[in-house]
Amino acid sequence: DTEVTQTPKHLVMGMTNKKSLKCEQHMGHRAMYWYKQKAKKPPELMFVYSYEKLSINESVPSRFSPECPNSSLLNLHLHALQPEDSALYLCASSQVSQSSYEQYFGPGTRLTVT
Amino acid sequence: KQEVTQIPAALSVPEGENLVLNCSFTDSAIYNLQWFRQDPGKGLTSLLLIQSSQREQTSGRLNASLDKSSGRSTLYIAASQPGDSATYLCAVLNAGGTSYGKLTFGQGTILTVHP
Repeated sequence: DTEVTQTPKHLVMGMTNKKSLKCEQHMGHRAMYWYKQKAKKPPELMFVYSYEKLSINESVPSRFSPECPNSSLLNLHLHALQPEDSALYLCASSQVSQSSYEQYFGPGTRLTVT
Repeated sequence: KQEVTQIPAALSVPEGENLVLNCSFTDSAIYNLQWFRQDPGKGLTSLLLIQSSQREQTSGRLNASLDKSSGRSTLYIAASQPGDSATYLCAVLNAGGTSYGKLTFGQGTILTVHP
């Protein structure tokens, strides 16, 4: 099973709402990632978790709060977002190994902030 | 800082044609290079991964090559089909510098195969 699942597929939220994005994988990967992708642009890395610990934060605003409750789950908590945060949010996972690191991506959550 | 460039930005070909997509990167300190496919509004599908010690990888009608010393990779698609229409992204996993352990993506090539 090489599947990464993400829920919800679509999310519309107001600027005062609090919502969460969820990502799950059952490949035994110990690294998980959040990316943000704007239209006609490549994905931009936001956060990396390695062995359930935050290892990289690409200077993401605090209105985005990641959480990795266990080795299979990754959440992204959203609060007080701005319209410019509307984008496709992609989750990915990989092994933690210098010989591999192949990243597997989920289908994404399309977020619209109104 | 690693920079990845993909040429051409867009390509339109008739069905059945063989085609080549190009990717270049500025820093040869990489662990691997991945080619992805992305359909509109969808996630990324990994097509091929080439480790830094490898020269090429093949999967079906796809063949990817890597010349790490010159900072180049190509994705060859044989006998193209309308179902191959998508955006193709090249990404390198950095082995050094401030981008260590991170994927750096190119801007992508938008491929259209018309019947």
